[in-house]
Amino acid sequence: KAGVTQTPRYLIKTRGQQVTLSCSPISGHRSVSWYQQTPGQGLQFLFEYFSETQRNKGNFPGRFSGRQFSNSRSEMNVSTLELGDSALYLCASSLDLLGSVSYNEQFFGPGTRLTVL
Amino acid sequence: LAKTTQPISMDSYEGQEVNITCSHNNIATNDYITWYQQFPSQGPRFIIQGYKTKVTNEVASLFIPADRKSSTLSLPRVSLSDTAVYYCLVGLNPGAGSYQLTFGKGTKLSVIP
Repeated sequence: KAGVTQTPRYLIKTRGQQVTLSCSPISGHRSVSWYQQTPGQGLQFLFEYFSETQRNKGNFPGRFSGRQFSNSRSEMNVSTLELGDSALYLCASSLDLLGSVSYNEQFFGPGTRLTVL
Repeated sequence: LAKTTQPISMDSYEGQEVNITCSHNNIATNDYITWYQQFPSQGPRFIIQGYKTKVTNEVASLFIPADRKSSTLSLPRVSLSDTAVYYCLVGLNPGAGSYQLTFGKGTKLSVIP
């Protein structure tokens, strides 16, 4: 079974631009979560989607948004990029057997490394 | 302030047992405690998950006291390949009616030959 895939793997943008990252979950997984990882703040939860609906959200500004499609694939968008948005963005999927991301084994993709100049 | 706390780093010799503790005040009543392992340039990988008391699988054990304000990941007989960063993940209730999914800052385990 193929793992979680994320595209692109690397991205360079300039301040003020916007960016869209894509995540394809493991086949059969209906929950997709996004995380930001930086050396200073560590792993931070962005949001979780299940059945095309945002089920949970972390403490990030509205510039960070996401969506999920009917095939469970997900995208996240960051508008008006700032230097501090430079990070590794990780996507994770789960079978969602127990109804919440914190109850389920999550499978992470390799991440998208975003650099904002 | 609801948060999780882990040691920043730990060293261990091969073959020893390693215990990594995560403290988490205000843990959400029904949430599980989950531990992940991360190698450089890879996404985190699930190790073990539990709600209370003790859970054991083929790679680790997880000890959770009755008050659930901490948890301890136990790695038996570590090898060089266990050198990685270990994270705890919990759901916290920082305030009335609010919920916050939170990773610890991670513990960098270095296994020495």
